[in-house]
Amino acid sequence: DSGVTQTPKHLITATGQRVTLRCSPRSGDLSVYWYQQSLDQGLQFLIQYYNGEERAKGNILERFSAQQFPDLHSELNLSSLELGDSALYFCASNPLGTSGGEQFFGPGTRLTVL
Amino acid sequence: GENVEQHPSTLSVQEGDSAVIKCTYSDSASNYFPWYKQELGKGPQLIIDIRSNVGEKKDQRIAVTLNKTAKHFSLHITETQPEDSAVYFCAASPMEYGNKLVFGAGTILRVKS
Repeated sequence: DSGVTQTPKHLITATGQRVTLRCSPRSGDLSVYWYQQSLDQGLQFLIQYYNGEERAKGNILERFSAQQFPDLHSELNLSSLELGDSALYFCASNPLGTSGGEQFFGPGTRLTVL
Repeated sequence: GENVEQHPSTLSVQEGDSAVIKCTYSDSASNYFPWYKQELGKGPQLIIDIRSNVGEKKDQRIAVTLNKTAKHFSLHITETQPEDSAVYFCAASPMEYGNKLVFGAGTILRVKS
């Protein structure tokens, strides 16, 4: 158990809908990272938040957005969902803002778009 | 941006044999190289990492080597056991603002008993 929690574990929805994925980082960690894992794209970095502020952005679609709240939990919002958005979404956390260091991954949310 | 290539995509070994997985990266400024193990239905878990100022690191049956000149790094697992069967990912952390990881495509390791 990494100490990172994600809810829900599974999510099934229809095209065009909007969903929110939630992540609680390990106690004391200021950084939260979101990754998407799909069969064709592998594990791709989406976005990083550090202490409430966006720190780095990856290949995140404009239909996707994220935020980190004062209690440091984070939410990833996916809107206008398409079939291709079906994937595993992982949240990771660590104490760091910059400089490489271990990221602790949560168990993931499996999103299925029908 | 950084690009990480990983080989092989699948690897089958007999229990007790060694397994080697290789990765190359493109950004010479990357300074942190972790290896993650992912079991079915779980999130990736760090098994070993190495920084750019170190050439080799070992932890029991697992070792990682880094060649900065050639921009490649490798994972070595000795005396493999059935519980080593999983998907292994290498990653590189580009030295830019933020702390993202760029992952390789993964290697499915099967240890046959």
